[in-house]
Amino acid sequence: DIQMTQSPSSLSASVGDTVTITCQASQDISNYLNWYQQKPGKAPKLLIYDASNLETGVPSRFSGSGSGTDFTFTISNLQPEDIATYYCQQYYILPFTFGPGTKVDIK
Amino acid sequence: QVQLQESGPGLAKPSETLSLTCTVSGGSISSYYWSWIRQSAGKGLEWIGRIHSSGTTNYNPSLESRLTMSIDTSKKQFSLNLSSVTAADTAVYYCAREKMTNLGRWFAPWGQGTLVTVSS
Repeated sequence: DIQMTQSPSSLSASVGDTVTITCQASQDISNYLNWYQQKPGKAPKLLIYDASNLETGVPSRFSGSGSGTDFTFTISNLQPEDIATYYCQQYYILPFTFGPGTKVDIK
Repeated sequence: QVQLQESGPGLAKPSETLSLTCTVSGGSISSYYWSWIRQSAGKGLEWIGRIHSSGTTNYNPSLESRLTMSIDTSKKQFSLNLSSVTAADTAVYYCAREKMTNLGRWFAPWGQGTLVTVSS
């Protein structure tokens, strides 16, 4: 299985800050990576697909980049409604696997 | 828009079989892969497996020996059976559609999730 790691596991930032989360795959997955947002008690919601493509309706302050084994997810101008846990997920090969998540909080 | 809803017992006894059904509304069940994903405190998000509307299945090797998935396109439902459950199978179980385009593949939408507790 492809192992996905994320860092940090949690972070606290102020409204308006730029937040960066990294995701690393245990092998080359090209750009076959998605990012999801999960709010407490809710199902994950797709934000970014194919490493850098913004899902329709998702605010442009969310962005993604990377290829191969190293990926970055950025929230620019952090808003209170962005409090959530963020997960990366690879779809390069079955079984699909997720990162352990990064919990984002507001200072 | 497409909506998914999980249903099934919220409690399963150790060594018994956990059975869940996902009902699709607002769209077609045909020509898609439909996945089960679970989330537990200990293991985070874990992809369990998927079934295509044609009946083709792919299972996570870690669960394959205990897993059976089925689909009823006339009812717009697909199901999960996980046998010989233990406390380690306690989790929130989600169903999700796997969308595939020339740009990639991803899970959207997801059901709201259903908590299954394994306990005697």
